[in-house]
Amino acid sequence: DAKTTQPNSMESNEEEPVHLPCNHSTISGTDYIHWYRQLPSQGPEYVIHGLTSNVNNRMASLAIAEDRKSSTLILHRATLRDAAVYYCILRDNSGGYQKVTFGTGTKLQVIP
Amino acid sequence: NAGVTQTPKFQVLKTGQSMTLQCAQDMNHNSMYWYRQDPGMGLRLIYYSASEGTTDKGEVPNGYNVSRLNKREFSLRLESAAPSQTSVYFCASRDRGTSGANVLTFGAGSRLTVL
Repeated sequence: DAKTTQPNSMESNEEEPVHLPCNHSTISGTDYIHWYRQLPSQGPEYVIHGLTSNVNNRMASLAIAEDRKSSTLILHRATLRDAAVYYCILRDNSGGYQKVTFGTGTKLQVIP
Repeated sequence: NAGVTQTPKFQVLKTGQSMTLQCAQDMNHNSMYWYRQDPGMGLRLIYYSASEGTTDKGEVPNGYNVSRLNKREFSLRLESAAPSQTSVYFCASRDRGTSGANVLTFGAGSRLTVL
């Protein structure tokens, strides 16, 4: 199963943009890239997903490399509420989440 | 909508005791999942249910049983709790979506301590 690699931790100043990288060099053509985040003492929550094209929603933007071997989650203006662990996962479109691996993610610290 | 509701939020057990973690979703989702999360580790899948009436093992099923009681409810049972089962447990359900979103919605978690 395709896996992802993320930095263990990152820091950002409040109100500045944050770029969270994810490498997935063994991604297959049917894998969707999903991002989830987990705020302290809460369950993970969905952030954004994409297949090939860049995606925007109210929470974030997702930039996908042309070869799809890496992607970047972009928070345009980090707030203190964005301090969380961010998970980048791959999900094959033929199935659910039973083969999805949630790694340890990137712990984002937002500095006031 | 409440989303995914887990009970209890906290539980302390003694080794050998049994208990059931309850999970209910009100989003009419077909698939439901149970994960555990240990310090410094990611989420690990215990069991899942692709639809009402079916259950399958995930990555770490040993020591657990599940029941998909109906479309809304998916319970996780520890028959004889062990200290190694001390963890935070998350239930999730999956929305197939019309655009292939296939998004998981998680509950708030159940923190279990086994002494």
